[in-house]
Amino acid sequence: DTAVSQTPKYLVTQMGNDKSIKCEQNLGHDTMYWYKQDSKKFLKIMFSYNNKELIINETVPNRFSPKSPDKAHLNLHINSLELGDSAVYFCASSRELGIEQFFGPGTRLTVL
Amino acid sequence: SQKIEQNSEALNIQEGKTATLTCNYTNYSPAYLQWYRQDPGRGPVFLLLIRENEKEKRKERLKVTFDTTLKQSLFHITASQPADSATYLCALEADTGRRALTFGSGTRLQVQP
Repeated sequence: DTAVSQTPKYLVTQMGNDKSIKCEQNLGHDTMYWYKQDSKKFLKIMFSYNNKELIINETVPNRFSPKSPDKAHLNLHINSLELGDSAVYFCASSRELGIEQFFGPGTRLTVL
Repeated sequence: SQKIEQNSEALNIQEGKTATLTCNYTNYSPAYLQWYRQDPGRGPVFLLLIRENEKEKRKERLKVTFDTTLKQSLFHITASQPADSATYLCALEADTGRRALTFGSGTRLQVQP
């Protein structure tokens, strides 16, 4: 199946832990993104990468670090997790920056 | 400050009618506007993109209009079906060049059979 995939689907962890979310796309796209959707359903851009280069880095705490080992992967590592990090995190990709984005199924992160 | 407003109240319509959803924005000068559909527990799905020089765009039962003077986009679904029930999000480029999309909070559409 051609798609954007994320693992894990659900992540429950304690405050202070470090966790990673993986994202892969097999659409051949050059651009990948991470979004956060909070409990009020606002979808906010966190990062975007184009050809493995960081393009957009919104005002996100530096506890969040994206890593793009190749064009098909963009992983999100989060250090020292806080309660406010609880949200659904979506990975997305597009052929061209900003346009017609394909989203993954989301990772629901719950910090206890 | 920049704002994208979509009606936060759910829109309930009868099957077969036309659904019209509104997206208003302030302090943006977008080159294009996009509409996405989001079902519960899933990621958004791209539907349509309309550019600033286009007044209207159609795709099957979907129609989008874009009025840069009114700073408004209307999203229409004709002959609506229960399967059209979902949350619909509009998205704008935050500022030209960076291509960072800002999404509205979405309007939930419920089509009754």
